[in-house]
Amino acid sequence: TQLLEQSPQFLSIQEGENLTVYCNSSSVFSSLQWYRQEPGEGPVLLVTVVTGGEVKKLKRLTFQFGDARKDSSLHITAAQPGDTGLYLCAPRFMRFGAGTRLTVKP
Amino acid sequence: ETGVTQTPRHLVMGMTNKKSLKCEQHLGHNAMYWYKQSAKKPLELMFVYNFKEQTENNSVPSRFSPECPNSSHLFLHLHTLQPEDSALYLCASSQEGRYTFGSGTRLTVV
Repeated sequence: TQLLEQSPQFLSIQEGENLTVYCNSSSVFSSLQWYRQEPGEGPVLLVTVVTGGEVKKLKRLTFQFGDARKDSSLHITAAQPGDTGLYLCAPRFMRFGAGTRLTVKP
Repeated sequence: ETGVTQTPRHLVMGMTNKKSLKCEQHLGHNAMYWYKQSAKKPLELMFVYNFKEQTENNSVPSRFSPECPNSSHLFLHLHTLQPEDSALYLCASSQEGRYTFGSGTRLTVV
């Protein structure tokens, strides 16, 4: 049983476009983490969100935790080719969603 | 250098071979994890160790045998694997909610 659903599964956009990816669950989480994984490497932690409604920014990346702490979103502004990768969300106990595979074309 | 080092980076083994994957961290973390990542499935948690004690075995077949001799080292011993076991095996460590992954071992079973 998959704990988390991430959407879309694949996303291919042009450099400069904005995008949002989602992480949804029917469970309430005490916290949620977002990771980016590049080909041939392990996931790298981007951010941890803890409080319902919390918004965190990491340069052009904006992370939001839903008020009910069941869902989260990641918005990227003016995407760049360096943003290409697999974006994964995971609750505290490290069971990951399937991820969103993002490709940003120059 | 991520702080978590996995060796080897690539491994090809036959179904009758015995091999071991190694993971090492010097971050002072007290928890270590093995994950399997295959092309068609999400990242799957296999084993969790806290302070060298196994605290979770996620219904992993016995042909995978973990070992944690101390809080800095984690091994995954492999024997009589199947081709469907081919995947990227990732090690991670954590403390106080901060998780760090290694770069993984790309395993191919032939």
